[in-house]
Amino acid sequence: GENVEQHPSTLSVQEGDSAVIKCTYSDSASNYFPWYKQELGKGPQLIIDIRSNVGEKKDQRIAVTLNKTAKHFSLHITETQPEDSAVYFCAARQGSQGNLIFGKGTKLSVKP
Amino acid sequence: GAGVSQSPRYKVTKRGQDVALRCDPISGHVSLYWYRQALGQGPEFLTYFNYEAQQDKSGLPNDRFSAERPEGSISTLTIQRTEQRDSAMYRCASSLSGEKLFFGSGTQLSVL
Repeated sequence: GENVEQHPSTLSVQEGDSAVIKCTYSDSASNYFPWYKQELGKGPQLIIDIRSNVGEKKDQRIAVTLNKTAKHFSLHITETQPEDSAVYFCAARQGSQGNLIFGKGTKLSVKP
Repeated sequence: GAGVSQSPRYKVTKRGQDVALRCDPISGHVSLYWYRQALGQGPEFLTYFNYEAQQDKSGLPNDRFSAERPEGSISTLTIQRTEQRDSAMYRCASSLSGEKLFFGSGTQLSVL
């Protein structure tokens, strides 16, 4: 089955700097890769997603890149703000139509 | 309602008791997922439904766990003869298309 590895587990940046979180997956049939943000006491919330027929997608300060050959994808947050502080999870769909398998999360801290 | 609703928000039970966790998905969402999330970890897949049909239950830890969605809307996750290791946050999510998952606030289960 699908296995998703996520790094780093914690990341601390200064406000205004960029943050990058990386994930790898194992199932070459996976075709959908979302990123979720989880704030304390809340459920995960989708922030951006990408399908396997696209190499990059951007939404304001957030971008995701996908390298299908290497089976890895990354989340890039530019001009970080204190409200970006949260736990971020990557996920990959098992096969082409299955459930999502999540990484273990990255705790991002943005220091003012 | 506007989002995925889970009840109860907290459940404390004694070892050996049965518990039933309820999920009310976003109206019209075809797919419904159950995940379990330990503290500091990513959501761990349990099972999912398309309409009333259970598509994949490979994530259920053992036969004490079961789920149903009899009318293709509300779902119940039942844990029989609870054990302390069952203590966790149980999260439900729904999706219109099997991609963008919307998570509920979860049920925090504590087995004493």
